[in-house]
Amino acid sequence: NAGVTQTPKFRVLKTGQSMTLLCAQDMNHEYMYWYRQDPGMGLRLIHYSVGEGTTAKGEVPDGYNVSRLKKQNFLLGLESAAPSQTSVYFCASSQHSGQVRGYTFGSGTRLTVV
Amino acid sequence: AQTVTQSQPEMSVQEAETVTLSCTYDTSESDYYLFWYKQPPSRQMILVIRQEAYKQQNATENRFSVNFQKAAKSFSLKISDSQLGDAAMYFCAYRSDNQGGKLIFGQGTELSVKP
Repeated sequence: NAGVTQTPKFRVLKTGQSMTLLCAQDMNHEYMYWYRQDPGMGLRLIHYSVGEGTTAKGEVPDGYNVSRLKKQNFLLGLESAAPSQTSVYFCASSQHSGQVRGYTFGSGTRLTVV
Repeated sequence: AQTVTQSQPEMSVQEAETVTLSCTYDTSESDYYLFWYKQPPSRQMILVIRQEAYKQQNATENRFSVNFQKAAKSFSLKISDSQLGDAAMYFCAYRSDNQGGKLIFGQGTELSVKP
């Protein structure tokens, strides 16, 4: 089925460990985003990309890095995980701004840092 | 920078009744889009309804409608004939064309539906 696929769905990390979250979309969307969701704070933008090879910082980028080497993939990296990064992470994609029909979201990754 | 505020952390409605969720936003832009998303316990983000700022007519989708007040920067969601399946977290979101199309979300409103 077409859509956005996030892997993994769950992960427990120890403080200081690193990991990469993968987001893949098969809709040929130009724009891709990484959000984190915390109780009472809604979804906050971490990083985003407006095309292959481009990335930009969002509202809460510290402690994260991203890469978009291929149009269909958007990777989110945590170099040295901290308990404050315990959250649910969502990837989303959308068409070019001239064709706004909404966003397609992945099913989320629940990350716990102990 | 744009902000979105949902001032109702929790709301409750009786089945078959009508409920309105509030959302206000702050922006200096004239062209933008507004959305309401539903997030059930499955965590999936589901688009409920969207509104283009240049359209004066309020958007409707079956039992869901919005009251878009551009001058007041208000965008409320009305759910008519509430059903048990409407119970979820609801997020209001703003999108500008000028910033990579990113969505800015409100804090969310948890809606419960009583049978």
